[in-house]
Amino acid sequence: GAVVSQHPSWVICKSGTSVKIECRSLDFQATTMFWYRQFPKQSLMLMATSNEGSKATYEQGVEKDKFLINHASLTLSTLTVTSAHPEDSSFYICSAAEAGKGKGEQYFGPGTRLTVT
Amino acid sequence: GESVGLHLPTLSVQEGDNSIINCAYSNSASDYFIWYKQESGKGPQFIIDIRSNMDKRQGQRVTVLLNKTVKHLSLQIAATQPGDSAVYFCAEWGNDMRFGAGTRLTVKP
Repeated sequence: GAVVSQHPSWVICKSGTSVKIECRSLDFQATTMFWYRQFPKQSLMLMATSNEGSKATYEQGVEKDKFLINHASLTLSTLTVTSAHPEDSSFYICSAAEAGKGKGEQYFGPGTRLTVT
Repeated sequence: GESVGLHLPTLSVQEGDNSIINCAYSNSASDYFIWYKQESGKGPQFIIDIRSNMDKRQGQRVTVLLNKTVKHLSLQIAATQPGDSAVYFCAEWGNDMRFGAGTRLTVKP
């Protein structure tokens, strides 16, 4: 149990276009989802935290108008990178947590590799 | 302060040897810690956790040690196997979860 999927697993887009990444909890209801960005050979950096039905909370330095997060249901959160630029190329990882569960029960998706050309 | 992205340190061990991966955490108020394993191109996988009221916790082939005095965490892997090759991250929970810099473990056959 506790499987989180992401789609697509990789995407290439042209500079200036937008791309949407989906994060789904397959067998549990995720009241909270987290989005991370990971550059090569670096650690995961938390971008934002989203709770179902409410606006996401963005970390300092993350542009909320550029990285649109929607968590409209208990099993789906989306991250849209708007007007993507080559510097947005990165590995984007989501994680999901179920209400009432412990801190460690946060399950990670497999990640999405975004390349902006 | 927050952990920031750094280029990963590396650890190379011989198959069958024990591995020790270290992590310095930043928030003295953090009360829960997790070690994750991340294989290339994949998301992190939970390995083992420890609460701040403990100094040591053992799992299958893994042991986590916590030294709150110096804000240091270590992961010991016994009888390291090629399948253990990955990047290992510690994570600390204060108000939210923050990841450490990570260490790349390479196991030589």
